[in-house]
Amino acid sequence: DIQMTQSPSSLSASVGDRVTITCRASQGISNYLAWYQQKPGKVPKLIIYAASTLQSGVPSRFSGSGSGTDFTLTISSLQPEDVATYYCQKYNSAPLTFGGGTKVEIK
Amino acid sequence: EVQLVESGGGLVQPGGSLKLSCAASGFTFSGSAMHWVRQASGKGLEWVGRIRSKVNTYATAYAASVEGRFTISRDDSKNTAYLQMNSLKTEDTAVYYCTRLSSQYAFDIWGQGTMVTVSS
Repeated sequence: DIQMTQSPSSLSASVGDRVTITCRASQGISNYLAWYQQKPGKVPKLIIYAASTLQSGVPSRFSGSGSGTDFTLTISSLQPEDVATYYCQKYNSAPLTFGGGTKVEIK
Repeated sequence: EVQLVESGGGLVQPGGSLKLSCAASGFTFSGSAMHWVRQASGKGLEWVGRIRSKVNTYATAYAASVEGRFTISRDDSKNTAYLQMNSLKTEDTAVYYCTRLSSQYAFDIWGQGTMVTVSS
C-alpha cells in the first residue's frame, strides 16, 4: 500500500506568515491528492482537490501544488482562523490513505 | 440542505458488534460512493472503507485493520449507508464519520460523526 508522509507534524507561525506543509507519497499518485482542514472539535473540511484545485468557498490564501510523489499546501498569509490540523489524502485507489496531519498554531 | 447524519454509536464490549447508519439528504445518494473514516481521540484520520454505487456494482473495499470484521452496505431506497462492525477491539474506539466521494474524487460532505467506545 502507498504511504502518505506529512511534514512537519506541527508548526507555529505568526499572523501574516507564509506557511508551507509537505506531503510525500511512497509511490506516484499523479494528482490524486486532496487536502483537508480540521479545526479543533470540528468535522474535517475539504479545501483542495486534484492537488491544486481550490474547493468552492475556500479563501484564496490557500493553494496546493505538486504531482507524482511530492505535494505542498501553502497558506500565503496565515490568519487566526486557520488554526487547525491539516491532512493530505490520496484517492487514486483503495486504501484512500491519509497523511499523519500537521497541526498549525499561531505564535 | 446537503447533509449526512450518522447514528448507532455507543459502548460495546470487546468482541461485540455494532451497526452504524448514515442517512443522506440533499443530493443524489444512489449515484455516490460512500466512505467511512474514523478518528481516535487525539489521533489522525483513518480511512475505514467504502461502497460504490449500483452502476459500479456496489463494490466494497476496506482498510487492512478492519478487513474481515467490518462490512459496508447501503440501501438506496432509504438513502442510507451502513457500517456493520463485528469482533470489535479496544483499538476500534473512535469517532466514525461517513463521507461522500464527490465527482472530483474527494470527500466533500461529512457527517457530524458518531462515537464508538469498545471497553469492558
